[in-house]
This record gives sequence, C-alpha cells and structure tokens, in this order.
Amino acid sequence: QVQLVQSGAEVKKPGASVKVSCRASGYTFTSHYAHWVRQAPGQGLEWMGIINPSGDSTTYAQKFQGRVTMTRDTSTSTDYMELSSLRSDDTAVYYCARDYRHALDFWGQGTMVTVSS
Amino acid sequence: QSALTQPASVSGSPGQSITISCTGTSSDVGGYNYVSWYQQHPGKAPKLIIYEVNDRPSGVSNRFSGSKSGNTASLTISGLQAEDEADYYCSSYTVSGTPWVFGGGTKLTVL
Repeated sequence: QVQLVQSGAEVKKPGASVKVSCRASGYTFTSHYAHWVRQAPGQGLEWMGIINPSGDSTTYAQKFQGRVTMTRDTSTSTDYMELSSLRSDDTAVYYCARDYRHALDFWGQGTMVTVSS
Repeated sequence: QSALTQPASVSGSPGQSITISCTGTSSDVGGYNYVSWYQQHPGKAPKLIIYEVNDRPSGVSNRFSGSKSGNTASLTISGLQAEDEADYYCSSYTVSGTPWVFGGGTKLTVL
C-alpha cells in the first residue's frame, strides 16, 4: 500500500532553516511527481511547490521562491523540503503528497514546524 | 486571501444533500479540468475525494460527486452522514506563476 512517512516535529529559531523528509513506499517512486503543502494553525492549505519524478526539476509557489528548496533521493525514495530564513508565520504543519493526474492522492502524516525565539 | 473562493461554512441534516462551491477564474477552474476536492478531519491529513472535476478515487463513497460550470466547481455530498463533518478544500491547476491553488476551505457541520 502507498505510504508517505515524514520526519518528526521540529522547533527552530527565527532565521534558521528546517529540512523535512518524506519517505515513500508501496509504489514506483520515480513515476510520480511530489507536492509540498503547508497548513498554519487554524488556517487553510497552502501549496508550496512540486518536484518532478527524476528530481531534476522543481516549480515553487511565487511566495516561497528564494526560500524553499525541494530535492529528492531516488535511491532511498525520499523527498526533502528545506525552508530557510524562518519566521514566526512559518509555524505550520508541512505535508508531502503524491501527484496523480494533477491531484494530490496520497499524503504524509504531516510534520509540525514551530518557529519561536 | 485564497485564490479560489469557497463558503466558510455549510450545514445539513443527516440524509440531506449539500453542495459546496469553489469559484475561480478562467486561468484556473474555468481553464482546466484539473479541479480536485479534499476532505480533512481535525488533526488529520487531507484525503482526496474528487479529482479531474468529477472522478472519485477507489474507495471513496459515491455519495461524493463533483461538477463544474464556467469558473465555478461544486462538490455535492448526498445522504449526509455524521462522519462527513469535516473541512473541505477545492484545488485547481492554474496557468499562473503558482501552478496549484487551494480554496480557503469550507467547514461542513452535520446537524
């Protein structure tokens, strides 16, 4: 069965960086794009970006360009999302999700990132 | 402000049908058949319930259906059940610089 397992919760200080991982299993990793989405406490979903199956192409939401980097390691079926220059309003649950026909069909369990001094 | 507009809340009684709208523009909802809908229960990850406007993933109840007219997409839930109480989000592929956008979400209350 398809599973996306994300890394654990993080607490970071303003200005720091965070790197979240998402390990995939149960399907052919290199046949699907992957999205990253975040959700601030009590707020809606916010799309951050997408990485292609081979990991050599990314598209980021304009809001995050210059601060976010998405990578993937096909040898371990793992996607990574790194967000830099963290601010308090980056406090959110970060999700990875598999792409299927321009929809997000399987999601990770989410990783809580708290930015606080 | 979200790119796609949804009502903040809707409600219905068990057994009734409700419809949630999702309004965008010709650059997103109106321009592509890549509208999807997600159900999210508190503390849980979102779950895909509709993709490509009106297709259901395997295992999703046929009580959920989607449609689109012009720049507005809709999710209809028939035969409301208590377990349907959740937040619902629409999403669309878009030609803009940010290629995927979400609606602000709709809280469904089953009375």
